[in-house]
Parts: sequence; structure tokens; C-alpha cells
Amino acid sequence: DSGVTQTPKHLITATGQRVTLRCSPRSGDLSVYWYQQSLDQGLQFLIQYYNGEERAKGNILERFSAQQFPDLHSELNLSSLELGDSALYFCASSVADSGSWTQYFGPGTRLLVL
Amino acid sequence: SQKIEQNSEALNIQEGKTATLTCNYTNYSPAYLQWYRQDPGRGPVFLLLIRENEKEKRKERLKVTFDTTLKQSLFHITASQPADSATYLCALGVPYGQNFVFGPGTRLSVLP
Repeated sequence: DSGVTQTPKHLITATGQRVTLRCSPRSGDLSVYWYQQSLDQGLQFLIQYYNGEERAKGNILERFSAQQFPDLHSELNLSSLELGDSALYFCASSVADSGSWTQYFGPGTRLLVL
Repeated sequence: SQKIEQNSEALNIQEGKTATLTCNYTNYSPAYLQWYRQDPGRGPVFLLLIRENEKEKRKERLKVTFDTTLKQSLFHITASQPADSATYLCALGVPYGQNFVFGPGTRLSVLP
């Protein structure tokens, strides 16, 4: 158990809908990362927050947004969902925001868009 | 353009042998390189980190090398066991405020 929690574990929804994925980092970790993993794309970095502020942005679509709250939990919002958004979404946390720190991954949220 | 490659999608080896996985990158200047293990349907788990000024790092049966001239890292598992079967991902760590980038992974199968 990495200490990172993600809810929900599974999500089934329809095209055009909006969902929110939630992540609680390990105690003491200030940095939260979001990743998307699909069968054909591998692990794709979406966005990183550090202590409430956006720190880095990857291949995140405009339909997706995220935030990190004062208690350090984070939410990833996916809107106008398309079939291609079906994937595993992972949250990870680390103590700081540089590449020298280990990222601890949560169990993931499996999203299926029908 | 920037690219990270891992030697092959899949690698099969016999139990007891040494597995060697390769991570090559272009147009990055990582300060750190990490290796993770991922089992199906689960999140990656950190294994080892090596810094750009380190040539080699070991942890139990695992060994990582990092050659910034060749832009390559090698990941070795000695005395491999069927329980080592998983996908192994390399990840480049860049300075503050930039992306943390994962390679596509190599699926290792250790055959009894």
C-alpha cells in the first residue's frame, strides 16, 4: 500500500458527460501528479501540483482540469467525455517537486466511457 | 523531438538468468533516472533512482547504470524469478517545474 488513495476505483459513464476523480496524497507529500494510461499510449503525464499551485503541465486536454486543495487532496475533472478517454487514471504524490523524489502511485481509477 | 525508448515491448528469460532492460532517450538532459515496476491493473512502484553523476546503483538483486554520454540506462535483475514478471518503466527526472516523463515500458516474463 503506497499511502495514496484514489476514488472511485471504477467509473462507467456516457459520452458527453463530466466526471471528477479524487486523490489523497501520502501524509506529508506536497506534490500531486496525474497520469493517464491507456493500452496504446503508455503512462502519459497530465499535470502536477505542488502545495496548491500548478507546477507542470503535460499532454492534458483542454476538456480536462485539475486542482489541489488546501488540505492537499487533488481532483481531476474530465468533461465532454469521449470514447477515447477510457483509460486508467493514476495519481501519484511525492515530498517535493523535482525529479529526484520518488513518486508514490495510487491504485488508479478505471474510467470507461460508453 | 524528445523521445524515450525501452528496448523491447516484451522480454522472455529463463528463471535464474539475468534480465537486462534498456532505456534510451534523446533530446533530454535528465538529472535523475528512476525505474519502476508495474503489475497489471496496478500503479507503478518505485525501485531505484540514479543521479546523473552516478554510474551505477545496486539494491539486492537489482542494478542500474546510467550513461549520460550514451543517453542510456541499463536495468539488471540477477537470479531472476517468476515473481519478477511485470512491466518495468524507466522515468526521466528533470529539474523543478518540468514534466516527469515515463518510457513505454518493457514487459518481462521470467519462465520457470
